Amino acid sequence: QVQLVQSGAEVKKPGASVKVSCKASGYTFTGYYMHWVRQAPGQGLEWMGWINPNSGGTNYAQKFQGRVTMTRDTSISTAYMELSRLRSDDTAVYYCARLQWLVRGLDYWGQGTLVTVSS
Amino acid sequence: DIVMTQTPLSSPVTLGQPASISCRSSQSLVHSDGNTYLSWLQQRPGQPPRLLIYKISNRFSGVPDRFSGSGAGTDFTLKISRVEAEDVGVYYCMQATQFPLWTFGQGTKVEIK
Repeated sequence: QVQLVQSGAEVKKPGASVKVSCKASGYTFTGYYMHWVRQAPGQGLEWMGWINPNSGGTNYAQKFQGRVTMTRDTSISTAYMELSRLRSDDTAVYYCARLQWLVRGLDYWGQGTLVTVSS
Repeated sequence: DIVMTQTPLSSPVTLGQPASISCRSSQSLVHSDGNTYLSWLQQRPGQPPRLLIYKISNRFSGVPDRFSGSGAGTDFTLKISRVEAEDVGVYYCMQATQFPLWTFGQGTKVEIK
C-alpha cells in the first residue's frame, strides 16, 4: 500500500534552516510528483510547491521563492523540503503529498512534521 | 494567481441532515485540455488531509457515496447528503488547473449542532 512517512518534529531558532524528509513506499517513486503543503496552527492549508522525482524539476509558490529548496534521492525513494531563514511565522505542520497527475489530485499524504520556530 | 473562496466558513449541522459547501474561483478552472481540475479534501481533527473528490465530481477510492461534488467554470459545491459524526472536520477545495501553481480555499468547518 502507498505510504508517505515523514521525519520527526523539529525545533529551530529564527534564522536557521530545517530539512524535512518524506519517504515513499508502495509505488514507483519516480512516477508521481510530490507536493509540499503547510498548515500553521489553527489555520488552513498553504501550498508550497512540488518536485518531479524523475527529473528533479521543481516549482515553488512565489511566497517561498529564494527560501525553499525541494530535492529528492531516488535511491531511497525520499523527497526533501528545506526551508531557510526561518521566522516565527514558519511554525507549522509541513506535509508531503503525492500528486495523481491524470486527475491532478493529491491522493496520499504524509502524517505531517511539526516545525516550531522559537528563540 | 487563482483565488479560491469558500462559503460558509463554518457549518453547524444536525446529524442525518444535509450539508453544502460552496467554492468559487477568481478565474475559470476549465483547463485547455477540457478538464476542470477542482478537488475537495477533508481534514478530520488531528489528521492529515484526505482526498474526497477530484475533477469536480469524481469520488476518490473508499469515499462514501453521501459525498458528491458538482459545478462548472468558477462555481463548485460539495454536498454531504446525510451528515454522520465522522464527517466532522474542515473541508477544502483546491484548484490544479493553473499549472504549475496550486491554490486552496480557506476551508469550511463542519461541526455537529
